[in-house]
Amino acid sequence: AQSVSQHNHHVILSEAASLELGCNYSYGGTVNLFWYVQYPGQHLQLLLKYFSGDPLVKGIKGFEAEFIKSKFSFNLRKPSVQWSDTAEYFCAVSILTGGGNKLTFGTGTQLKVEL
Amino acid sequence: GAGVSQSPSNKVTEKGKDVELRCDPISGHTALYWYRQSLGQGLEFLIYFQGNSAPDKSGLPSDRFSAERTGGSVSTLTIQRTQQEDSAVYLCASSLVASGSDTQYFGPGTRLTVL
Repeated sequence: AQSVSQHNHHVILSEAASLELGCNYSYGGTVNLFWYVQYPGQHLQLLLKYFSGDPLVKGIKGFEAEFIKSKFSFNLRKPSVQWSDTAEYFCAVSILTGGGNKLTFGTGTQLKVEL
Repeated sequence: GAGVSQSPSNKVTEKGKDVELRCDPISGHTALYWYRQSLGQGLEFLIYFQGNSAPDKSGLPSDRFSAERTGGSVSTLTIQRTQQEDSAVYLCASSLVASGSDTQYFGPGTRLTVL
């Protein structure tokens, strides 16, 4: 079965600092990769996703992620964070099976951006 | 357009009681997923529906948990004889089709507290 690891559980940054959140998955076959974000008091929403093609994926709000197949990684980056990026970030993977697209999530990274 | 809605938003129940949680997916979405978000376990897949059938029930933690979907739309997750370890936020998501390339849109969740 596939699994997802997020190594940073809590991250605190100052505004304008650069962000990189690590995500590694374990599965030997073809995967789809996602980053979801949950802002305080809001529900999960998609930041970006990778299915195929260019391994550098750009999402909403200036976020991007790079799929490195050899490292089984899909790290999330943002060059300059804002206070409004304070949220919990979840990496997720789904595998191509005969049916369904169930997501396996990492444990999440709580990001706090200080003014 | 309208997103995924869930009801109730909060449910407090006594141990041993049955509860029903409801999910209204985005109109036209054929795939529906239930997940559970708890402190100790993170985000876990419970069950997936394609139309009214449930090809994947692998995430249901025990036979006290069941779910159905009628008319290819509304889904109900039922937990019988609730236990304290059932306390969690239950999330519903829907997608247009059940393929790896399709985005799952999440509802706000139902927070279940079992006393």
